[in-house]
Amino acid sequence: EVQLVESGGGLVQPGGSLRLSCAASGFTFSTYWMHWVRQTPGEGLVWVSRINIDGSSTNYADSVKGRFTISRDNAKNTLYLQMNSLRAEDTAVYYCAKEAYSSSITNFDYWGQGTLVTVSS
Amino acid sequence: DIQMTQSPSSLSASVGDRVTITCRASQSISSSLNWYQQKPGKAPKLLIYGASSLQSGVPSRFSGSGSGTDFTLTINSLQPEDFATYYCQQSYRLHTFGQGTNLEIK
Repeated sequence: EVQLVESGGGLVQPGGSLRLSCAASGFTFSTYWMHWVRQTPGEGLVWVSRINIDGSSTNYADSVKGRFTISRDNAKNTLYLQMNSLRAEDTAVYYCAKEAYSSSITNFDYWGQGTLVTVSS
Repeated sequence: DIQMTQSPSSLSASVGDRVTITCRASQSISSSLNWYQQKPGKAPKLLIYGASSLQSGVPSRFSGSGSGTDFTLTINSLQPEDFATYYCQQSYRLHTFGQGTNLEIK
């Protein structure tokens, strides 16, 4: 059974840092691209970042570029999101998601349960 | 960036009804369109990928159509468990989600 379990969320002050983790199991982690998606009541679902299978290629949403860093440890089957210079607008539930590639279309076939990040003084 | 616009933003329907949700892309995305269902406090669940392919385990009352810029999600014979929020997502160039459609019980 595929499982994605996020951790590391919490309350942080503006300007602070936080590192999220996503522990994967039930599939060959090292062979799939992985993503972070966040959700706020106001914005809905927003794609944040993605990483390829060996970590050599990453992409970011403009809103987090230069502040967030996605990485992975295939030996530990774990995905990370390092978040620096946090702002109030980064407050959200953060989900990790596994990418699937079906019929030349990418989609997110499995998601974690989410971890809440609150940026507030 | 590719923008995705869903309509309506909310919808009231009854068990047994047929409902259609529309998603429009700001530029052509071929068939790179996915649909997700989300219930309160839960992660999104993939329903349809590639505009019209049903994800394994998803009931056949769900269907998707469209290509280019205009797409639809149709739910036939609504069941109580279908009342949720639905999102479209483009995967043509990175990823963008629509703002969501909240399907409520009438």
